This record gives sequence, structure tokens and C-alpha cells, in this order.
Amino acid sequence: QSALTQPASVSGSPGQSITISCTGTSSDVGSYNLVSWYQQHPGKAPKLMIYEVSKRPSGVSNRFSGSKSGNTASLTISGLQAEDEADYYCCSYAGSSTCVFGGGTKLTVL
Amino acid sequence: QLQLQESGPGLVKPSETLSLTCTVSGGSISSSSYYWGWIRQPPGKGLEWIGSIYYSGSTYYNPSLKSRVTISVDTSKNQFSLKLSSVTAADTAVYYCASLPIMITFGGVIAYFDYWGQGTLVTVSS
Repeated sequence: QSALTQPASVSGSPGQSITISCTGTSSDVGSYNLVSWYQQHPGKAPKLMIYEVSKRPSGVSNRFSGSKSGNTASLTISGLQAEDEADYYCCSYAGSSTCVFGGGTKLTVL
Repeated sequence: QLQLQESGPGLVKPSETLSLTCTVSGGSISSSSYYWGWIRQPPGKGLEWIGSIYYSGSTYYNPSLKSRVTISVDTSKNQFSLKLSSVTAADTAVYYCASLPIMITFGGVIAYFDYWGQGTLVTVSS
């Protein structure tokens, strides 16, 4: 298992939209619609934001959306807010009930 | 709503075994709807899945850690545990426990973590 590839950092101004990519292989992201995304504020536990590529858990803002094309999944945050500043991690099912995380992306709200 | 809480020593000596316990509240660890898992995060680095367990004892481990990891469950205490042997400084991390819903529509696989503990820092040092 190799970690999924995410950009180290992205930034945007309040009100803008940003997209974070998560690139895997045909053995993980490309094979299953089982990508999840987590938000982590400093010193806190990760929080589930998206599962099954594009589904949002109850209570997660609809400003967060997910998609997938081929071996790359994406998380889009629209109407960027200061509270969205955090680290974001993707995770993909990789077969045999195993999962692999991305390296994480630091989102800065300018 | 499920709540999970990690507990265990915050300092472990090199070559020894790291042992942590996760206590589940707000639900039964014997639920047929969940697996239970461990994830770790070295300081300043990303997340790494360690392994997962069902209440029956069925386990899945990260291949890169499999030779050193044992995850077990104690249904009478609503707890599950992690043991990582022969630790080195590279095992220094915040260790999280989490729940993994079983996805019936995908043939019963487990693929994401919905509830997380707050995490506990384990430092490997002499």
C-alpha cells in the first residue's frame, strides 16, 4: 500500500471555492467508490466530512462536496470560511478491508 | 452517538510493547454494524491506518505493520485494544481509535471512520 497523493497546501480567500485532489491507483481510488475525506484542526481528532466519494454525514455543511474521476478523487469547499482552515485527508478503500490515507493538505484561508 | 476514548501509557521504551485500550460508550462494541479500528499520526505527519477488528475477533491489519500488531476485543468491558511490539522512535505518534460502519451495500466491507476518539500521544524513548 502506498499513500495517496495530495497537494501539500492550498489556499483561498473567504467566499471563494477551492478543490483538493487525491490521486491513487487502479488498485484503490480507481477501483472503488469508497473514498472518504476528513477535516483536522490543530490538536484535534479528524472529523468525517465525506464518505462514498460524495456523501455527507448529517451535520456537515453542503459547502463540502466530493467527486471522483478515474484514479483521482476531489474535495471541493465552496463559500470558503475562516473556520474551514484545517488539514484535510483523503482515504480510499484498497481491497480486503484495508484502507490507505493521503498525505494530507493544509488549507489556508487568506 | 458513539463516543470512544483511548487510554494507556504515554511513554514506552524502545524494543518494548506499546499497549492501548479504547473504551466505547453510547453503543455496544458487539454491534453487528461496526468494526473498530486504530489509526496513528506521527507528530507533524499524516494519518496511517493500523488495523481493524470485529466483535467476533475477526481482524484486518495494515500489511506494513502486520508482523508487530495485535488488536483484540473485550466485549464484557466494551473495549478493544492495540498492542504494537518492538517499538522504535518511529512509532512515536498520536494514536486514535475509531468506529468503521460495515457497508452492506458494498458487500460488507469497511472503508471509512465515522466516530473518533480524541487521540493519545505515545512517545517511544528511553
